[in-house]
Amino acid sequence: ETGVTQTPRHLVMGMTNKKSLKCEQHLGHNAMYWYKQSAKKPLELMFVYSLEERVENNSVPSRFSPECPNSSHLFLHLHTLQPEDSALYLCASSQEGGYSTDTQYFGPGTRLTVL
Amino acid sequence: DAKTTQPPSMDCAEGRAANLPCNHSTISGNEYVYWYRQIHSQGPQYIIHGLKNNETNEMASLIITEDRKSSTLILPHATLRDTAVYYCIASSNTGKLIFGQGTTLQVKP
Repeated sequence: ETGVTQTPRHLVMGMTNKKSLKCEQHLGHNAMYWYKQSAKKPLELMFVYSLEERVENNSVPSRFSPECPNSSHLFLHLHTLQPEDSALYLCASSQEGGYSTDTQYFGPGTRLTVL
Repeated sequence: DAKTTQPPSMDCAEGRAANLPCNHSTISGNEYVYWYRQIHSQGPQYIIHGLKNNETNEMASLIITEDRKSSTLILPHATLRDTAVYYCIASSNTGKLIFGQGTTLQVKP
């Protein structure tokens, strides 16, 4: 138990659906991250938020829309996804983030399948 | 951030020490060496990190060579639950972790 929770743990959606992934951290951290891990590929950083401001957006398609309403919560809104977007989506948090070498703590991930 | 190179897979007998090597020959002076592991389909778990000196915690030891071009993660008494993919990452003050393919460690009874 890392103090980072993600819901739902599994999600199946059609290409025309809209869904959201939720991440919550109970560690008092100021930075939160979204990563994508496709089958047999390394983790890819998608977004970084520090103090609720987006500081990194790694050329992610606009069908993925992040939202960070406060430092404890992070959402990833999904719409009109493609089957190749099926992956494990991981959330992480760290004390500072953005421009710091501090440790990141990961949630268990959401396994997303797009039909 | 510097690139790291790890063997794709390793085996270790249960109860023995697991020594996982990592090369980071282009590491710069302000880059830390981080180790994470990922048990199948779970989120990565932080293990340990260091800059120059060797480090030890309740999970593992990290040995960094004097020239900082390579390091070794040591799990002193490997158990079956240590079977995982282990990632070595060189990270500066950008807050980014660039994950590679890692080393798949298989602990065998």
